[in-house]
Amino acid sequence: EVQLVESGGGLVQPGASLKLSCVASGFTFSDYWMSWVRQTPGKTMEWIGDIKYDGSYTNYAPSLKNRFTISRDNAKSTLYLQMSNVRSEDTATYYCTRVRGAIFDYWGQGVMVTVSS
Amino acid sequence: DIQMTQSPPSLSASLGDKVTITCQASQNINKYIAWYQQKPGKAPRLLIRYTSTLESGTPSRFSGSGSGRDYSFSISNVESEDIASYYCLQYDNLPYTFGAGTKLELK
Repeated sequence: EVQLVESGGGLVQPGASLKLSCVASGFTFSDYWMSWVRQTPGKTMEWIGDIKYDGSYTNYAPSLKNRFTISRDNAKSTLYLQMSNVRSEDTATYYCTRVRGAIFDYWGQGVMVTVSS
Repeated sequence: DIQMTQSPPSLSASLGDKVTITCQASQNINKYIAWYQQKPGKAPRLLIRYTSTLESGTPSRFSGSGSGRDYSFSISNVESEDIASYYCLQYDNLPYTFGAGTKLELK
């Protein structure tokens, strides 16, 4: 059974940094592109970016490219999202997703990030 | 970025009804549209990819169609377990973009 478990969320102050993790199981992690998607409290869904199966290539939403970095550790079957200089508009639930055929076929349960002073 | 205009924002249906949700892209997306179902407090679930291809486990009462800029998603014979929000996603061009969602409620 495919499982994706995110962690690392919480309350963070504006301007701070935060790193989210996602541990994958139930499939060969190193065979798949992976992606992050977020959902705001107003339910708007936004694709953040993705990373190639070997970690050699990433794509990002242009609006987030300068502040967010996606990485992975295939030995640990773990995906990461490094968020820097966070803003109130980054408040959202962050989902780790597996990519198959260019789209997100499995999603984690999500981790909440709240940016507030 | 490709804008996905999804309508209606909400929909009220009786059990057994047929409902249809539409998504219009700001440009041709070559049938690269997927549909997701999201229940409260849960992660989205992929139902349909490439306009009309049902994912394994998706009931046959769900269907999708369309081409070019205009796409639709339907549920025939709505069941109580279908009460959820539905989102379209275009994956023809980066950045991938979602519709705003449609909340399906029971009448």
